[in-house]
Formats: sequence, C-alpha cells, structure tokens
Amino acid sequence: KNQVEQSPQSLIILEGKNCTLQCNYTVSPFSNLRWYKQDTGRGPVSLTIMTFSENTKSNGRYTATLDADTKQSSLHITASQLSDSASYICVVSADRFRGGYALNFGKGTSLLVTP
Amino acid sequence: KAGVTQTPRYLIKTRGQQVTLSCSPISGHRSVSWYQQTPGQGLQFLFEYFSETQRNKGNFPGRFSGRQFSNSRSEMNVSTLELGDSALYLCASSRSRPEGTEAFFGQGTRLTVV
Repeated sequence: KNQVEQSPQSLIILEGKNCTLQCNYTVSPFSNLRWYKQDTGRGPVSLTIMTFSENTKSNGRYTATLDADTKQSSLHITASQLSDSASYICVVSADRFRGGYALNFGKGTSLLVTP
Repeated sequence: KAGVTQTPRYLIKTRGQQVTLSCSPISGHRSVSWYQQTPGQGLQFLFEYFSETQRNKGNFPGRFSGRQFSNSRSEMNVSTLELGDSALYLCASSRSRPEGTEAFFGQGTRLTVV
C-alpha cells in the first residue's frame, strides 16, 4: 500500500531558529514529490516539486532534499519567521499502469514559530 | 492574474441533503482536481477533470461526483450527505497534469453537515 508518513506531527520553535521536517514514503512507482505550505483557513501553496533525479531544491529559506534510494525527503527551514507557522504537507505522486497517476498525501507537520 | 476561486466559502447542510460546490480555475488552466481535507484523514484526492472529462478518481463512494464545463469551471456534488462529509473541500487547477506541474489551490469550501 502506498503510504506517506510525516514527522514530527507538530513542532514548536523559536523565531530565528532552523528546523527540519521529514517525509518517508513507500509510494511506487515514484513520479515526483512536493512540499506544500498551508496556512490556517487557506489552501495549500506549493513550495517545491522534485523528480527522481533531483536531490535538492530551494525556494528562498525553504530547502527540500530527496533520497530516492531510501525514499526519504526533508524540508529544511532556515532562520524561521512567525509567518512560517503553518501546516507542511508532503505529497508523493505515483504513476499508474496505462497512464494516469495517484496522489498520496502525508497528514502534515504543524509548525508553530514563537517570538 | 486571478487565482482559483471556490464558492461558497462556508456551507451548512443537513444529513440527507445534497450539495454542489463550484470551482473556477486560473485562466488558461484546463485541469481541475478536487480534494477533501479533514483533521483525521488529512488531504484526500477525490477526482480530476481535464477538458470536461474525468481523468482520474480517488477512493470515494459514488455519492461524490463532479463535472467540468467547456470554460474549465468545475462543480462537485455530494448527494445524501452524511455527518462524516463535514470537511474542507479544496480544488486545484493546473495547466495540464496536476501531478507533473504545479497545482494552485483555492481557499476551499468549509462544509458542515448537521
């Protein structure tokens, strides 16, 4: 069964500190992996998308890594800001036989950045 | 340019009723996909429409249906509502394949079934 597990479930950090969120998956065949940020009461916003051949991708203070061999991804947030408080969702896409795709969602990591 | 627009933003319905939600994609985007988000299950994929055809479907009962119009706008219908259908329903639009290109989400419709 295709699964996406995120850890930790929730995290509290001080403003200015760094943090790393984890995403482990068992999805196969792998197509791509995305990280989304979802503010409370809003729709998710894409941070990064990575394919099999990409190891690292950055978007400002957000850096995602992908290890396709161990099926692990991480999202590193540098110099956190209060506005980083949100839920971060890992989504892994799998190709389906005869085309098409399947989207597999993690349950998210809730991040709270405090002053 | 305008983002993805979902209407209504909030909705309260009674068990057994039916509901229709609307999604207007970003201009030029032909793919619209729908998702259900609950605290317990997180985000779950409902279905995706491309050029008025359902191209992909998640594991939801037949009470959940959708359609897409020629202008790419999409509607989602839930019949015979159950308490468990209370959730945030999100739609996302993308140019072609939502799994291969960036998908842009709307703000969602918060459905409460009482």
